[in-house]
Amino acid sequence: GAVVSQHPSWVICKSGTSVKIECRSLDFQATTMFWYRQFPKQSLMLMATSNEGSKATYEQGVEKDKFLINHASLTLSTLTVTSAHPEDSSFYICSAADLPVETQYFGPGTRLLVL
Amino acid sequence: SQQGEEDPQALSIQEGENATMNCSYKTSINNLQWYRQNSGRGLVHLILIRSNEREKHSGRLRVTLDTSKKSSSLLITASRAADTASYFCATNKTYYAGNNRKLIWGLGTSLAVNP
Repeated sequence: GAVVSQHPSWVICKSGTSVKIECRSLDFQATTMFWYRQFPKQSLMLMATSNEGSKATYEQGVEKDKFLINHASLTLSTLTVTSAHPEDSSFYICSAADLPVETQYFGPGTRLLVL
Repeated sequence: SQQGEEDPQALSIQEGENATMNCSYKTSINNLQWYRQNSGRGLVHLILIRSNEREKHSGRLRVTLDTSKKSSSLLITASRAADTASYFCATNKTYYAGNNRKLIWGLGTSLAVNP
């Protein structure tokens, strides 16, 4: 149980384009989903927390207009990187949790390369 | 933001040996969790220990928690090559009203188990 999928697993795009990453909880209802960014050999950096049906809460320093998050249902959250630039290249990981949020279940991650 | 610090940052052992990783944190917590990440993949939840617990076991894993020292340790006994991964501690504290909690992540320990 507690399986989270992420799609795509790999994406290469040109600078200036937008990229959408999907995160789905496959066998449970995820009241809360988290989006992280991870640089090589570093820890996870929380970008935002999203609750189903409400606006995401962004961490300090994360641009809301740059990283659009939508949590439209209890099984799906999306992260859209708008007008991507090479510095946005990173490993993006989502996680999902039900209430009360304790253990998080992680997707396999999406590697984004912006050329 | 990171509040946890793991040590060592990197650990290399032979198969069959025990591996011990430590984690320190700064503020009061509800629980502390350990996660594992294989290279280029998402994270897998290993074990959760609550603030009123001192020790917990799961298979070859043993976790201790010392709230007076704000520290935890993860012991992997009889290690296997397949245990090679990065291990992260994460603390859980209520940051928002209600049940919307986020995890505060440590920097991770990179474990290499040599066959």
